[in-house]
Amino acid sequence: GAGVSQSPRYKVAKRGQDVALRCDPISGHVSLFWYQQALGQGPEFLTYFQNEAQLDKSGLPSDRFFAERPEGSVSTLKIQRTQQEDSAVYLCASSSWTDTYEQYFGPGTRLTVT
Amino acid sequence: ELKVEQNPLFLSMQEGKNYTIYCNYSTTSDRLYWYRQDPGKSLESLFVLLSNGAVKQEGRLMASLDTKARLSTLHITAAVHDLSATYFCSPINTDKLIFGTGTRLQVFP
Repeated sequence: GAGVSQSPRYKVAKRGQDVALRCDPISGHVSLFWYQQALGQGPEFLTYFQNEAQLDKSGLPSDRFFAERPEGSVSTLKIQRTQQEDSAVYLCASSSWTDTYEQYFGPGTRLTVT
Repeated sequence: ELKVEQNPLFLSMQEGKNYTIYCNYSTTSDRLYWYRQDPGKSLESLFVLLSNGAVKQEGRLMASLDTKARLSTLHITAAVHDLSATYFCSPINTDKLIFGTGTRLQVFP
């Protein structure tokens, strides 16, 4: 695959609905990251996987947010009982274990909660 | 907690002019990345700075890193309209990138 892909690209949810956001990392990339970017702000870290292990979830804003990567490749970020403050762009990034450890970002999913 | 401050936050500059964006961060980090973001788009990697004194150049952009001063700079030479975008510096903290609010650059004729 050429790069990180995310789906859906846009999601509108009514407040209280559950949503699931998908990330397909670059093939062979061990590390996968989720970031949340509010309008006019820089991205903020949510969580990080190394293969299937979730090594850091310190950025998840509440227990309504849950992420998984069961086979060490595709990851899903799930948000339960969405609230208006969840409206943001959710970015996924992946990286391999090279000396630069550069993170490559996907196009993002824009979530709007009405 | 690692915090990032960029200045200026907004920069409007004329084509052909030079300018420097400054990035200060609050705690030790041994790597720093610069990204570009166009409106409604994702982040595009510009530079990876891996050590103190590192300098990288690509076209009209040059980035440097001083880990002792916890400072990185992005220098723009002879700006052109295509450079209009938001630029983020991001030091790394235990594998995760830390972003500030970025510098929104607008280049006008």
